Amino acid sequence: GAGVSQSPSNKVTEKGKDVELRCDPISGHTALYWYRQSLGQGLEFLIYFQGNSAPDKSGLPSDRFSAERTGGSVSTLTIQRTQQEDSAVYLCASSFPGQGKTSGGVGETQYFGPGTRLLVL
Amino acid sequence: AQRVTQPEKLLSVFKGAPVELKCNYSYSGSPELFWYVQYSRQRLQLLLRHISRESIKGFTADLNKGETSFHLKKPFAQEEDSAMYYCALSGRAGNTPLVFGKGTRLSVIA
Repeated sequence: GAGVSQSPSNKVTEKGKDVELRCDPISGHTALYWYRQSLGQGLEFLIYFQGNSAPDKSGLPSDRFSAERTGGSVSTLTIQRTQQEDSAVYLCASSFPGQGKTSGGVGETQYFGPGTRLLVL
Repeated sequence: AQRVTQPEKLLSVFKGAPVELKCNYSYSGSPELFWYVQYSRQRLQLLLRHISRESIKGFTADLNKGETSFHLKKPFAQEEDSAMYYCALSGRAGNTPLVFGKGTRLSVIA
C-alpha cells in the first residue's frame, strides 16, 4: 500500500513568513511523529501524536512551531515567522500502535515520509 | 539523559572489506535500538532492530549492554551499501519518539 506522504516536497520562503507542512500517514497508523533533519544537528524529534491522547510537544524548539492532527489522520506542522535557522528537512513518520504485538512487547517500527525541504531566505 | 553517539561522520572502505559502524548509547532503562539507512535520493528506512535479531542485506548488530553499544557490521562491503546510516533508540513503553545519532556516511570504494 501507499507509504507516508508529505507535501510540499520543497518550500522556499522569506524570513518572517509562515509555512505549513503536511503529512499523510499510512492508513491505520495512529501514531505520528515529526522530526527535523538539519546539517550538523542530525535528526531531532519535534512532536508526537498518539491516537486521541494529548500530543508530546517536548521537542518543539520554540513557540513559533505548532502542529495539529485532524481526524486522527493528516497532520500539519506550522512554523510562524520563519527564521533562517528553520531551514532543514522536515520528516514525518507513522507507526501502528499494536502494543508491540509484532515485536515482542516494544514499540512498532516507524515508517518515514520523503520529507519537506524548507529553505528560509 | 538519552543520547546516541556515532563517532564517525564518514567511513570509507573498499569493496569486499569488512565494515563496522559504531554506535554507543546512554539511556536509563532498557531501550530498543535501531539502525536506519538513507540511500541517495530515498527516504529514511529501517535496516534492523535489535529485538528482531535479524540479518538484513548482510548487516548484523549486537546489543552490548555492558558497553552500551550497538555497532553495525557487515563482513564484505558492497558498493550499493554506500549510504547514510543512523543509529537510534526508543523507550520500551509502547510507541515513543526515536532519539537519533548524527549519522555516519558510508562510502564503499570499488
